[in-house]
Amino acid sequence: QSALTQEASVSGTVGQKVTLSCTGNSNNIGTYAVAWYQQISHGPPKAVMFENSLPSGIPDRFSGSKSGTTASLTISGLQPEDEAYYYCLTWDYILSAQVFGGGTKLTVL
Amino acid sequence: EVQLVESGGGLGQPGGSLRLSCAASGFSFGRFAMIWVRQAPGKGLEWLSVISASGTSTYYADSVKGRFTISRDNSKSALYLQMNSLRAEDTAVYYCAKDLDTVATMIEYWGQGTLVTVSS
Repeated sequence: QSALTQEASVSGTVGQKVTLSCTGNSNNIGTYAVAWYQQISHGPPKAVMFENSLPSGIPDRFSGSKSGTTASLTISGLQPEDEAYYYCLTWDYILSAQVFGGGTKLTVL
Repeated sequence: EVQLVESGGGLGQPGGSLRLSCAASGFSFGRFAMIWVRQAPGKGLEWLSVISASGTSTYYADSVKGRFTISRDNSKSALYLQMNSLRAEDTAVYYCAKDLDTVATMIEYWGQGTLVTVSS
Protein backbone atom coordinates (compact mmCIF):
# COMPACT_ATOMS: atom_id res chain seq x y z
CA GLN A 1 0.00 0.00 0.00
CA SER A 2 1.58 3.24 -1.18
CA ALA A 3 1.61 6.40 0.92
CA LEU A 4 0.31 8.19 -2.16
CA THR A 5 -3.03 7.32 -3.77
CA GLN A 6 -3.66 7.57 -7.50
CA GLU A 7 -6.62 6.52 -9.62
CA ALA A 8 -6.08 3.05 -11.05
CA SER A 9 -7.32 4.10 -14.47
CA VAL A 10 -8.50 7.18 -16.31
CA SER A 11 -9.66 7.47 -19.90
CA GLY A 12 -10.39 10.25 -22.33
CA THR A 13 -10.89 10.94 -26.00
CA VAL A 14 -8.49 12.74 -28.32
CA GLY A 15 -8.62 16.47 -27.68
CA GLN A 16 -10.24 16.12 -24.27
CA LYS A 17 -8.83 17.47 -21.00
CA VAL A 18 -8.09 14.93 -18.29
CA THR A 19 -6.83 15.36 -14.75
CA LEU A 20 -4.92 12.76 -12.76
CA SER A 21 -4.69 13.10 -9.01
CA CYS A 22 -2.20 12.04 -6.35
CA THR A 23 -3.37 12.21 -2.75
CA GLY A 24 -1.08 12.07 0.27
CA ASN A 25 -0.91 13.84 3.60
CA SER A 26 0.91 16.58 5.49
CA ASN A 27 4.00 14.37 5.84
CA ASN A 28 4.57 14.27 2.09
CA ILE A 29 2.56 16.17 -0.53
CA GLY A 30 1.50 18.79 1.99
CA THR A 31 5.15 19.74 2.55
CA TYR A 32 7.26 18.71 -0.45
CA ALA A 33 7.28 19.22 -4.20
CA VAL A 34 5.67 16.56 -6.37
CA ALA A 35 6.99 15.22 -9.66
CA TRP A 36 5.11 13.24 -12.32
CA TYR A 37 6.46 10.51 -14.59
CA GLN A 38 5.14 8.92 -17.77
CA GLN A 39 5.91 5.30 -18.55
CA ILE A 40 5.00 3.89 -21.95
CA SER A 41 4.89 0.13 -22.52
CA HIS A 42 7.16 -0.60 -19.53
CA GLY A 43 10.05 1.38 -20.97
CA PRO A 44 11.98 3.69 -18.64
CA PRO A 45 9.90 6.44 -17.03
CA LYS A 46 10.22 10.01 -18.22
CA ALA A 47 9.62 13.16 -16.19
CA VAL A 48 6.65 15.21 -17.42
CA MET A 49 6.23 17.66 -14.52
CA PHE A 50 8.28 19.02 -11.63
CA GLU A 51 5.65 20.46 -9.25
CA ASN A 52 4.25 22.99 -11.74
CA SER A 53 7.26 23.32 -14.06
CA LEU A 54 7.63 21.57 -17.39
CA PRO A 55 10.85 19.61 -18.04
CA SER A 56 12.58 20.43 -21.28
CA GLY A 57 10.87 18.91 -24.30
CA ILE A 58 7.52 18.23 -22.64
CA PRO A 59 4.59 19.84 -24.51
CA ASP A 60 2.71 22.60 -22.74
CA ARG A 61 -0.55 20.66 -22.82
CA PHE A 62 0.79 19.13 -19.59
CA SER A 63 0.33 21.19 -16.43
CA GLY A 64 0.71 20.54 -12.72
CA SER A 65 -0.88 21.92 -9.58
CA LYS A 66 -1.26 21.19 -5.90
CA SER A 67 -3.91 21.96 -3.32
CA GLY A 68 -3.21 20.96 0.25
CA THR A 69 -2.32 17.28 0.24
CA THR A 70 -3.43 16.53 -3.32
CA ALA A 71 -1.35 17.07 -6.45
CA SER A 72 -2.80 17.02 -9.93
CA LEU A 73 -1.50 16.50 -13.45
CA THR A 74 -3.71 17.91 -16.18
CA ILE A 75 -3.36 17.06 -19.85
CA SER A 76 -5.24 19.48 -22.11
CA GLY A 77 -5.85 18.38 -25.68
CA LEU A 78 -5.23 14.68 -25.10
CA GLN A 79 -3.16 12.95 -27.82
CA PRO A 80 -2.88 9.24 -28.69
CA GLU A 81 0.79 9.28 -27.67
CA ASP A 82 -0.23 10.31 -24.12
CA GLU A 83 -1.55 6.80 -23.46
CA ALA A 84 0.71 5.51 -20.69
CA TYR A 85 1.07 4.88 -16.98
CA TYR A 86 1.61 7.99 -14.87
CA TYR A 87 3.28 8.01 -11.44
CA CYS A 88 3.65 10.76 -8.84
CA LEU A 89 6.69 11.04 -6.56
CA THR A 90 7.52 13.08 -3.48
CA TRP A 91 9.47 12.94 -0.22
CA ASP A 92 7.91 11.68 3.01
CA TYR A 93 9.63 12.96 6.16
CA ILE A 94 8.11 10.36 8.46
CA LEU A 95 9.37 7.53 6.24
CA SER A 96 12.61 9.44 5.45
CA ALA A 97 12.17 8.18 1.92
CA GLN A 98 10.86 9.16 -1.44
CA VAL A 99 7.53 7.53 -2.29
CA PHE A 100 5.72 6.78 -5.53
CA GLY A 101 2.00 6.65 -6.03
CA GLY A 102 0.58 3.35 -7.24
CA GLY A 103 0.27 4.68 -10.79
CA THR A 104 -2.62 5.60 -13.11
CA LYS A 105 -3.20 3.91 -16.45
CA LEU A 106 -4.32 6.58 -18.90
CA THR A 107 -6.21 5.25 -21.90
CA VAL A 108 -6.87 7.43 -24.95
CA LEU A 109 -10.08 6.28 -26.59
CA GLU B 1 23.20 14.63 -23.17
CA VAL B 2 22.63 12.87 -19.85
CA GLN B 3 23.27 9.15 -20.03
CA LEU B 4 22.79 6.58 -17.27
CA VAL B 5 23.76 3.01 -18.11
CA GLU B 6 23.05 0.23 -15.62
CA SER B 7 24.90 -3.07 -15.56
CA GLY B 8 25.32 -6.08 -13.31
CA GLY B 9 21.85 -7.51 -13.55
CA GLY B 10 21.19 -11.15 -14.22
CA LEU B 11 20.33 -14.28 -12.30
CA GLY B 12 20.89 -14.28 -8.56
CA GLN B 13 20.41 -17.06 -6.08
CA PRO B 14 18.05 -16.72 -3.10
CA GLY B 15 20.20 -15.62 -0.19
CA GLY B 16 22.94 -14.57 -2.58
CA SER B 17 24.37 -11.24 -3.66
CA LEU B 18 24.57 -9.05 -6.75
CA ARG B 19 26.17 -5.69 -7.34
CA LEU B 20 24.59 -3.25 -9.75
CA SER B 21 26.55 -0.42 -11.33
CA CYS B 22 25.43 2.73 -13.12
CA ALA B 23 27.80 4.64 -15.39
CA ALA B 24 26.84 8.31 -15.67
CA SER B 25 27.85 10.84 -18.29
CA GLY B 26 26.75 14.16 -19.74
CA PHE B 27 26.54 16.06 -16.43
CA SER B 28 28.62 16.93 -13.36
CA PHE B 29 28.01 13.69 -11.50
CA GLY B 30 29.35 14.88 -8.15
CA ARG B 31 26.81 17.72 -7.97
CA PHE B 32 23.64 15.63 -7.87
CA ALA B 33 21.94 13.07 -5.67
CA MET B 34 21.43 9.67 -7.27
CA ILE B 35 18.63 7.17 -6.79
CA TRP B 36 17.78 3.51 -7.38
CA VAL B 37 14.21 2.53 -8.30
CA ARG B 38 12.86 -0.89 -9.24
CA GLN B 39 9.81 -2.29 -10.98
CA ALA B 40 8.69 -5.86 -10.45
CA PRO B 41 7.00 -7.62 -13.39
CA GLY B 42 3.56 -6.13 -13.94
CA LYS B 43 3.87 -3.82 -10.94
CA GLY B 44 4.40 -0.13 -10.31
CA LEU B 45 7.56 1.80 -9.52
CA GLU B 46 9.19 1.22 -6.14
CA TRP B 47 11.72 3.73 -4.79
CA LEU B 48 14.66 1.96 -3.13
CA SER B 49 17.40 4.33 -2.08
CA VAL B 50 19.03 7.73 -2.53
CA ILE B 51 22.56 8.97 -1.92
CA SER B 52 23.43 12.64 -1.65
CA ALA B 53 25.83 14.32 -4.05
CA SER B 54 28.71 14.11 -1.58
CA GLY B 55 27.84 10.56 -0.59
CA THR B 56 27.51 11.46 3.07
CA SER B 57 23.75 10.87 3.33
CA THR B 58 21.86 7.76 2.34
CA TYR B 59 18.25 6.68 2.78
CA TYR B 60 16.51 3.37 2.10
CA ALA B 61 13.04 1.93 1.65
CA ASP B 62 12.05 -0.40 4.48
CA SER B 63 11.84 -3.28 2.00
CA VAL B 64 15.61 -3.23 1.39
CA LYS B 65 17.01 -1.60 4.55
CA GLY B 66 19.77 -3.73 6.02
CA ARG B 67 20.12 -5.81 2.84
CA PHE B 68 20.98 -3.27 0.11
CA THR B 69 23.71 -0.63 0.21
CA ILE B 70 23.93 2.37 -2.10
CA SER B 71 27.31 3.97 -2.80
CA ARG B 72 28.99 6.20 -5.34
CA ASP B 73 32.42 7.02 -6.70
CA ASN B 74 32.39 10.62 -7.89
CA SER B 75 35.87 10.24 -9.42
CA LYS B 76 34.47 7.57 -11.73
CA SER B 77 30.97 9.04 -12.20
CA ALA B 78 29.59 5.74 -10.97
CA LEU B 79 26.71 4.68 -8.76
CA TYR B 80 26.41 1.27 -7.15
CA LEU B 81 23.83 -0.90 -5.42
CA GLN B 82 25.12 -3.84 -3.39
CA MET B 83 22.29 -6.32 -2.99
CA ASN B 84 22.67 -9.01 -0.32
CA SER B 85 20.33 -11.66 1.09
CA LEU B 86 18.42 -11.72 -2.17
CA ARG B 87 14.80 -12.85 -2.17
CA ALA B 88 12.45 -13.93 -4.95
CA GLU B 89 10.53 -10.69 -4.45
CA ASP B 90 13.64 -8.71 -5.43
CA THR B 91 13.06 -9.84 -9.02
CA ALA B 92 12.58 -6.62 -10.98
CA VAL B 93 14.00 -4.17 -13.45
CA TYR B 94 16.34 -1.85 -11.55
CA TYR B 95 16.68 1.77 -12.68
CA CYS B 96 19.43 4.22 -11.87
CA ALA B 97 18.22 7.82 -11.75
CA LYS B 98 19.57 11.35 -11.36
CA ASP B 99 18.02 13.90 -9.03
CA LEU B 100 17.49 17.60 -9.73
CA ASP B 101 19.55 18.64 -6.70
CA THR B 102 22.32 17.65 -4.29
CA VAL B 103 19.82 15.90 -2.03
CA ALA B 104 16.62 13.96 -2.75
CA THR B 105 14.05 16.22 -4.37
CA MET B 106 12.73 14.94 -7.72
CA ILE B 107 14.11 12.46 -10.26
CA GLU B 108 15.16 14.23 -13.44
CA TYR B 109 16.59 11.47 -15.63
CA TRP B 110 16.34 7.68 -15.73
CA GLY B 111 18.54 4.93 -17.13
CA GLN B 112 17.20 2.13 -19.33
CA GLY B 113 17.21 -0.38 -16.46
CA THR B 114 18.78 -3.76 -15.82
CA LEU B 115 16.83 -6.93 -15.06
CA VAL B 116 17.52 -8.86 -11.87
CA THR B 117 15.98 -12.31 -11.53
CA VAL B 118 16.24 -14.11 -8.20
CA SER B 119 15.63 -17.80 -8.57
CA SER B 120 17.21 -21.13 -7.75
